[in-house]
Amino acid sequence: QVQLVQSGAEVKEPGASVMVSCEASGYTFTAYYLHWVRQAPGQGLEWMGWINPNSGALKFAQKFRGRVTMTRDTSITTVYMELTRLRSDDTAVYYCARSSISAEAEFDYWGQGTLVTVSS
Amino acid sequence: QTVVTQEPSFSVSPGGTVTLTCGLSSGSVSTSHYPSWYQQTPGQAPRTLIYKTNTRSSGVPDRFSGSILGNKAALTITGAQADDECDYYCVLYIGSGIRVFGGGTKLTVL
Repeated sequence: QVQLVQSGAEVKEPGASVMVSCEASGYTFTAYYLHWVRQAPGQGLEWMGWINPNSGALKFAQKFRGRVTMTRDTSITTVYMELTRLRSDDTAVYYCARSSISAEAEFDYWGQGTLVTVSS
Repeated sequence: QTVVTQEPSFSVSPGGTVTLTCGLSSGSVSTSHYPSWYQQTPGQAPRTLIYKTNTRSSGVPDRFSGSILGNKAALTITGAQADDECDYYCVLYIGSGIRVFGGGTKLTVL
């Protein structure tokens, strides 16, 4: 069965960087996009961007350009999201989510979420 | 900047019907935005309900349906049940691979 398993919670100081991983299993890793979506405490969901694990192509929401990057390691079917220059308002649960390789496709499977806390 | 609008909250009686909407700050929503809908209970990852406007995801009961109503996407729940009480989010595709979430609707069943 399809599974997306994310790394554990992180606590970071303002100005630092964080890297969250998402290990995929149960399907052909290179046949689906992986997206990152975040949710601040008590707030709504926010789309950050996607990576094509086959080509490494990326697409980010304008808000995050210059501060986020996404990479993949096909040998271990894992994608990574790194967010730099962290601020307190980056405190959120970060989810990875899968979609088919079609620009408009929906998210069909989700990771369990990773809490990132930014605090001094 | 594209803003996707949803009602912040809505209430429905048990057994009743409710329609949640998803609009654009500028312009109309159409099937070309490939609207999708997600359900989220507190502390859980979202669950996909509807995609491509009106296609139910696997395992979603047929009392959930999607459509375009006027200039908005819509999620209709018929025969509301107590465990439908949670948050609902829409997502629109706005081109160039970009998706935008709506702010979410908190549904109360009482």
